[in-house]
Amino acid sequence: SAVISQKPSRDICQRGTSLTIQCQVDSQVTMMFWYRQQPGQSLTLIATANQGSEATYESGFVIDKFPISRPNLTFSTLTVSNMSPEDSSIYLCSVGSTGNQPQHFGDGTRLSIL
Amino acid sequence: GENVEQHPSTLSVQEGDSAVIKCTYSDSASNYFPWYKQELGKGPQLIIDIRSNVGEKKDQRIAVTLNKTAKHFSLHITETQPEDSAVYFCAARVPVDSSYKLIFGSGTRLLVRP
Repeated sequence: SAVISQKPSRDICQRGTSLTIQCQVDSQVTMMFWYRQQPGQSLTLIATANQGSEATYESGFVIDKFPISRPNLTFSTLTVSNMSPEDSSIYLCSVGSTGNQPQHFGDGTRLSIL
Repeated sequence: GENVEQHPSTLSVQEGDSAVIKCTYSDSASNYFPWYKQELGKGPQLIIDIRSNVGEKKDQRIAVTLNKTAKHFSLHITETQPEDSAVYFCAARVPVDSSYKLIFGSGTRLLVRP
């Protein structure tokens, strides 16, 4: 399976600031997904980022708050903008392909906002 | 709407016993059902999956069953070991236009007592 690297692995930020999380994959993948996992909770899909098209956001998530870039088939970024304590969470990058390939996850970015 | 219910939320078993986690999905278009294991500080790791044209799949101590009519699928772990202790998530994949997304259950915290 693909090796997925996320940076940073964790960060503590001040409210009102923004942080960009990077996701690097060791092979070309069609689909990249960004999830949020709040403490002790399940995974919630933020958006799907397919190369060559605009990211598709799930209900409750907007581009102004979570802008995403997908410049090529091995890299994506998620920015958490104008952060508040409610944004404290784990943010996970995941990759997949069309067809019958499974979806895999990185180890996430643990974000705390003071 | 799309929903996956997962039970139980916590499960404690004696080492060597079996553990069963059950999920129910709502979207009849779901065609692929992965199970993930998440250890502390890590991202979810795929442990087994099943497609909608298969009723059962086994991999060593882990098995998954699918009942499409009832929209139920279950994870069975036999001869549990302390290292099986983790949070387990079921998911259902639903098609979205030319893409797809995973809908996750709420998770089961499994504790295997030595």
